Amino acid sequence: GDSVTQMEGPVTLSEEAFLTINCTYTATGYPSLFWYVQYPGEGLQLLLKATKADDKGSNKGFEATYRKETTSFHLEKGSVQVSDSAVYFCALSEAGGFKTIFGAGTRLFVKA
Amino acid sequence: EADIYQTPRYLVIGTGKKITLECSQTMGHDKMYWYQQDPGMELHLIHYSYGVNSTEKGDLSSESTVSRIRTEHFPLTLESARPSHTSQYLCASSGELATGATGELFFGEGSRLTVL
Repeated sequence: GDSVTQMEGPVTLSEEAFLTINCTYTATGYPSLFWYVQYPGEGLQLLLKATKADDKGSNKGFEATYRKETTSFHLEKGSVQVSDSAVYFCALSEAGGFKTIFGAGTRLFVKA
Repeated sequence: EADIYQTPRYLVIGTGKKITLECSQTMGHDKMYWYQQDPGMELHLIHYSYGVNSTEKGDLSSESTVSRIRTEHFPLTLESARPSHTSQYLCASSGELATGATGELFFGEGSRLTVL
């Protein structure tokens, strides 16, 4: 079945450092891919998405490119801030499917 | 800002009590979901619904039950709470992308349940 694998955390960075959180997926069809973010004490919210191969999703300085050849959707940000400290979830959904498949989540700590 | 609401945000109750966690959305979404989130952060789908009068069990077995009598409302009930039910419960809803895939999930802020 479909699955999402993302790098284990926690990831600890200093402010202004470069961030990469790896995400790879297994799917039978051509899924849509998502990154969600969960700030402390809150529910998840969509950070960015890509619906087809080679699409790049971007938001708040974060980017991820849908790579079909490597089945990956890695999250990147050039310069992280303390306010980016949160848990990040990679996810996919298949056409015709009713469920979103989530990775296990990666906790990011950014130090001032 | 998401238009999906959960109450209560926090609940502490004794073993054996019946509880209902409320979830409402104003976006007219047909699909709604309940996730249980453990302290390790991982999300587990426990119930979902395609629309009114449709409910399905998710990937993680749960002693809770749900109902979907109205499009906007998807409450979760525990008939007899136990300490093992202590967790964070997240409600979500979604529409559909043009590709036919389930679209963006809109989450409520969660209900943190503690059973003593």
